[in-house]
Amino acid sequence: DTGVSQDPRHKITKRGQNVTFRCDPISEHNRLYWYRQTLGQGPEFLTYFQNEAQLEKSRLLSDRFSAERPKGSFSTLEIQRTEQGDSAMYLCASSLEGVGAFFGQGTRLTVV
Amino acid sequence: DQQVKQNSPSLSVQEGRISILNCDYTNSMFDYFLWYKKYPAEGPTFLISISSIKDKNEDGRFTVFLNKSAKHLSLHIVPSQPGDSAVYFCAANNDMRFGAGTRLTVKP
Repeated sequence: DTGVSQDPRHKITKRGQNVTFRCDPISEHNRLYWYRQTLGQGPEFLTYFQNEAQLEKSRLLSDRFSAERPKGSFSTLEIQRTEQGDSAMYLCASSLEGVGAFFGQGTRLTVV
Repeated sequence: DQQVKQNSPSLSVQEGRISILNCDYTNSMFDYFLWYKKYPAEGPTFLISISSIKDKNEDGRFTVFLNKSAKHLSLHIVPSQPGDSAVYFCAANNDMRFGAGTRLTVKP
């Protein structure tokens, strides 16, 4: 499978716990994006990487959120001290610069 | 500071008719626009794109029109089919920020 892969697909966690999601982009893609989507809304931009460099981070992202792409390949998104408001679908997408992005299936986070 | 906007949250059309989905943007520096389609519980899938050097791009039943002076693009689906029922998002590639989406329902 050469598409964008996200793991896990679903995560249920207790409030206050830390969670980490992984995204494996299409191998030759140099850009990687993270989004959050809640019901009835479009994907909200969180952050993006060009290779290993994190070029932009949304103001929506609090200090509890951190993303890495250490070798310019896979990326992780960590949420510390989760809150109920963090419950959402977290989407990863990858692209070659200047071309449309392809999305993974997403990780659905439920904070109870 | 939403730079890409879809002002119609929903659209309902009859099978066989044309569906027209609209998108407005504010940044005249955007040079590449994309449309995505999303089914429930799936990630968005790329549908069609257009470069700002063009005003029209066609792919089968899907055509995207770009009006740079109005900062407006539209997606036309003709003829519409029930399988087209989904949420459609537009985005600008420079920015990869999305509009809120338009839910299209095609009735048999």
